[in-house]
Amino acid sequence: NAGVTQTPKFQVLKTGQSMTLQCAQDMNHEYMSWYRQDPGMGLRLIHYSVGAGITDQGEVPNGYNVSRSTTEDFPLRLLSAAPSQTSVYFCASRTLAGADETQYFGPGTRLLVL
Amino acid sequence: AQKITQTQPGMFVQEKEAVTLDCTYDTSDPSYGLFWYKQPSSGEMIFLIYQGSYDQQNATEGRYSLNFQKARKSANLVISASQLGDSAMYFCAMRDALLGGATNKLIFGTGTLLAVQP
Repeated sequence: NAGVTQTPKFQVLKTGQSMTLQCAQDMNHEYMSWYRQDPGMGLRLIHYSVGAGITDQGEVPNGYNVSRSTTEDFPLRLLSAAPSQTSVYFCASRTLAGADETQYFGPGTRLLVL
Repeated sequence: AQKITQTQPGMFVQEKEAVTLDCTYDTSDPSYGLFWYKQPSSGEMIFLIYQGSYDQQNATEGRYSLNFQKARKSANLVISASQLGDSAMYFCAMRDALLGGATNKLIFGTGTLLAVQP
């Protein structure tokens, strides 16, 4: 039972490079989201999706793009990486059916932008 | 404004003893959910326990229980019979219908680092 998976686990980028952080879930969850975790600031919501073809901005969306072509996958794109995007990135998912509000997190991607 | 406060940056507990991690929250919405997550040194976020604002009883999951005091707006996590593997960062989080809405956004506290001593 894989749950939420993220790749890569670690990444080092140079300023201006682009990359895509991958996120997949096998629980048929409608809702998926991306958070970033920075020291002393907790986790902050970047983008979220309530279903395939539907995405919207969270609290800190600038510099990031997302798409949701399937229920399972929710990639996060950095078009031109900046040192301020050095962080740990978490993908999370939950069902929107029923009363279960639990959001399940992936293992995280540690990103360093030089 | 919606906010989660964890006032204990770090705590020590002896193995096999119980420990309480404090969490207070602020929201004006009557409908909200409270969560506790564990983040070990490996970095993943592990869901521990959930309490809904309308739940009549305090939530329990194995050795974890949530001491929910609605009038005080507190949702403390109690870990009974601490184990060495409980050493980790613990985050309290909240989702309310007013702030969360369609975003299902979770507001996180800054965390408490728990160290279990043998």
